[in-house]
Amino acid sequence: DQQVKQNSPSLSVQEGRISILNCDYTNSMFDYFLWYKKYPAEGPTFLISISSIKDKNEDGRFTVFLNKSAKHLSLHIVPSQPGDSAVYFCAGLSNFGNEKLTFGTGTRLTIIP
Amino acid sequence: DTGVSQDPRHKITKRGQNVTFRCDPISEHNRLYWYRQTLGQGPEFLTYFQNEAQLEKSRLLSDRFSAERPKGSFSTLEIQRTEQGDSAMYLCASSSGTGHYGYTFGSGTRLTVV
Repeated sequence: DQQVKQNSPSLSVQEGRISILNCDYTNSMFDYFLWYKKYPAEGPTFLISISSIKDKNEDGRFTVFLNKSAKHLSLHIVPSQPGDSAVYFCAGLSNFGNEKLTFGTGTRLTIIP
Repeated sequence: DTGVSQDPRHKITKRGQNVTFRCDPISEHNRLYWYRQTLGQGPEFLTYFQNEAQLEKSRLLSDRFSAERPKGSFSTLEIQRTEQGDSAMYLCASSSGTGHYGYTFGSGTRLTVV
């Protein structure tokens, strides 16, 4: 079962505009949601997270919004920069037990100069 | 300490051969994870160690797969009698267990089975 879903495989955004990446989940037991950025031939790099008891977390150009009733979260990047071009993964984590991450399938973001 | 190291970065093997990958976690991290990422998918959890104890294995980890973490330091993942379906990126991550902020991934080992 796909507990974390990213329904948009790809997204293209002009440089300087806002990028919005979406993620849906089904597992209500997640305590945190995390966004990772991945370049080809590299491991995922942690970007930003949000606790399940919050609805917004901001870090510089990156903001994550959580709507628990809709089981939906989104990552906003503004302004978008060429270096933001990468694959972005949403992941859920439960603090209970082994703290394994459950990832979505990823969204490839391309920033157009 | 420069983070999580994985070796080799790339491995091409013939079907039916055995392969072994190594992961060196961040030294003070007691938790170590293996994930597998196939094309078009996100990383999928394979197994988890706390110190030297293997505490969870995914059903993705068939009996051809074995992982060890002797003395709670580095870890190895061995695949016996490789199949073409084993072709993937194998990612190792380590954590201090104090929350997700300490979760660090290595660069992965890309396995191609021909």
